[in-house]
Amino acid sequence: ETGVTQSPTHLIKTRGQQVTLRCSSQSGHNTVSWYQQALGQGPQFIFQYYREEENGRGNFPPRFSGLQFPNYSSELNVNALELDDSALYLCASSLKLAGDTDTQYFGPGTRLTVL
Amino acid sequence: AQSVTQLDSQVPVFEEAPVELRCNYSSSVSVYLFWYVQYPNQGLQLLLKYLSGSTLVKGINGFEAEFNKSQTSFHLRKPSVHISDTAEYFCAVIMVGNSGYALNFGKGTSLLVTP
Repeated sequence: ETGVTQSPTHLIKTRGQQVTLRCSSQSGHNTVSWYQQALGQGPQFIFQYYREEENGRGNFPPRFSGLQFPNYSSELNVNALELDDSALYLCASSLKLAGDTDTQYFGPGTRLTVL
Repeated sequence: AQSVTQLDSQVPVFEEAPVELRCNYSSSVSVYLFWYVQYPNQGLQLLLKYLSGSTLVKGINGFEAEFNKSQTSFHLRKPSVHISDTAEYFCAVIMVGNSGYALNFGKGTSLLVTP
């Protein structure tokens, strides 16, 4: 059973640029959630995708967008990067079943630095 | 609205001593509770979770936590810590509703175990 993987590991961008982060979910999982973890803080929920549809969104602006593919992998896209977007971006996958609470398993994260 | 408070930002402890990391939450509805651990430059690993049933939950690496509904707490304990337990520990609550099954994290507690 493979775990959650993310790419790239590290990324450096400049203000105003766009970035795409990728996540492969754990085998058998159908849900992907993305979190932003600023330095010294707990992770903050960005959004969740279930069966290729956005299933919930945190307090992040529309320039944060995502996709989930038929194989349940996912992308996080951030447009018009700002300095405050510098953070560790974590992807978590889970198996959502009707009436059940799914446990989320995290990948190692992508460290984004915006200069 | 829900929030999670981790009362201690840092907890220093000697090897083989017991430790308790405190977590309190506020919520107007029933909750699901989690503890995650994050080692330096890594993602989050699930230690344990409370969904229902027995209020004493046992997790990996000898950790346990007790759900106390009246005190809205979910403190993490270990009777004897090792150097390898040095890490950041996050308490999290599931939000059910508009944001799907999003984890709401505390700010974390840094556990430092010294010889």
